[in-house]
Amino acid sequence: KNEVEQSPQNLTAQEGEFITINCSYSVGISALHWLQQHPGGGIVSLFMLSSGKKKHGRLIATINIQEKHSSLHITASHPRDSAVYICAVPYSGGGADGLTFGKGTHLIIQP
Amino acid sequence: SQTIHQWPATLVQPVGSPLSLECTVEGTSNPNLYWYRQAAGRGLQLLFYSVGIGQISSEVPQNLSASRPQDRQFILSSKKLLLSDSGFYLCAWSVGLGNTIYFGEGSWLTVV
Repeated sequence: KNEVEQSPQNLTAQEGEFITINCSYSVGISALHWLQQHPGGGIVSLFMLSSGKKKHGRLIATINIQEKHSSLHITASHPRDSAVYICAVPYSGGGADGLTFGKGTHLIIQP
Repeated sequence: SQTIHQWPATLVQPVGSPLSLECTVEGTSNPNLYWYRQAAGRGLQLLFYSVGIGQISSEVPQNLSASRPQDRQFILSSKKLLLSDSGFYLCAWSVGLGNTIYFGEGSWLTVV
C-alpha cells in the first residue's frame, strides 16, 4: 500500500503570499492527484499529473517521479483559496483500486 | 458531459439502524466506482471500489457493504450502524487507469 505524507498540516498566510504545499509518497505511481476540499466537504480535482509541471491559473503543480515528491504552489494567494488541499496517489501504485490520500493541508489566507 | 450524483446529502441515524447511500454516474460507460469515507479529524479512506457490475472489492473490514446493481449505480449499505460509522462519505468515479477522478457532492452521516 502506498503511503502519503503531506506538509505542512496547517498553513496561515497573508493575501498575496506565495504558497507551497508538499507531498511525498512511498510507491512508484502512474499519476498523482491534487484535490481541493471546501468547508462544506465538496472535493474537486485540481490536477492529475504524472511528470513535470502543470499550471492552471494561479495554481502550479510539479512532480519528481524519481524522488517520489510533488508540490502544489499558489501564486498571489487570495482568501478564496482558503481550503484543505489533499494529495492523493494510487492505492497500490497504478491500478484501478482507488486512491490513498494525504491528511491534507488546511490553508487559511487572511486578507 | 459526465456528472455524478450522490444522495442523501445529510442524514442522522440512530445506532443499529440501516443505511443506504446511493451514487449514480451519467454520461460515461463502465466507470470505475469508489466509496470513500472521511471521519472527523482524519483523512479520506478508501472503503470499496468496483470495476464492473457485481464486482466489489473492499479495502477496510467493517460493517459496511457495497453493491453495484447497474453499470453506473453504486450503493453503500449497512444493516446496523455503529457510532464509529459517522463521517463524510464520498462517491467517486474514473475511467481507465491513471485518469482524473471525479467526486460526488458527499453525504454527511451522523450516527446518534
